[in-house]
Amino acid sequence: GAGVSQSPRYKVAKRGQDVALRCDPISGHVSLFWYQQALGQGPEFLTYFQNEAQLDKSGLPSDRFFAERPEGSVSTLKIQRTQQEDSAVYLCASSSKKLAGGPNEQFFGPGTRLTVL
Amino acid sequence: KQEVTQIPAALSVPEGENLVLNCSFTDSAIYNLQWFRQDPGKGLTSLLLIQSSQREQTSGRLNASLDKSSGRSTLYIAASQPGDSATYLCASNYGGATNKLIFGTGTLLAVQP
Repeated sequence: GAGVSQSPRYKVAKRGQDVALRCDPISGHVSLFWYQQALGQGPEFLTYFQNEAQLDKSGLPSDRFFAERPEGSVSTLKIQRTQQEDSAVYLCASSSKKLAGGPNEQFFGPGTRLTVL
Repeated sequence: KQEVTQIPAALSVPEGENLVLNCSFTDSAIYNLQWFRQDPGKGLTSLLLIQSSQREQTSGRLNASLDKSSGRSTLYIAASQPGDSATYLCASNYGGATNKLIFGTGTLLAVQP
């Protein structure tokens, strides 16, 4: 069974460009998370999907950030008009359980390293 | 505010030594706590998950404990090896509608051969 995959692994963008980052979760996983990890820091929560529903987007830093998961599997994180402060590693994680009952271990992908020049 | 702190920020030990990494969290109403390993330029590998009802979990040379009342978790690594060199992150989960993880800033471990 494949793990969580992300593409591209590296992305360099000029300030002001739009970027799209893709996440393929583990097959059958209901929950999908996006996190942002700045250099030397722990990951910080951005947004959460349960199937196709975006249930929490409280961590998105601005309205330039947008995420979707239209069919409840693959997810895309889009950043419009990128700024230098957006430079970070963007991590995707998936989990097999809904909220209620049992452990909900999160499994992470390798991340996309975004550099905005 | 729910926060997670890890001490020390960096640790260097000789091969074969046993070591303890510390994690503290401000809100004791924790649902579970997860320990991860991160290698340079890589994603996070889950090591152990401890439910709030558990006191510890073991996997091979790793043992993680959880003390909700004191807001602390420890990761014990026995007989350390150079391959254990990595950044170790702990993350708390308070459940709710999201089950989002709140991470510490990590402990950078170097095991010297």
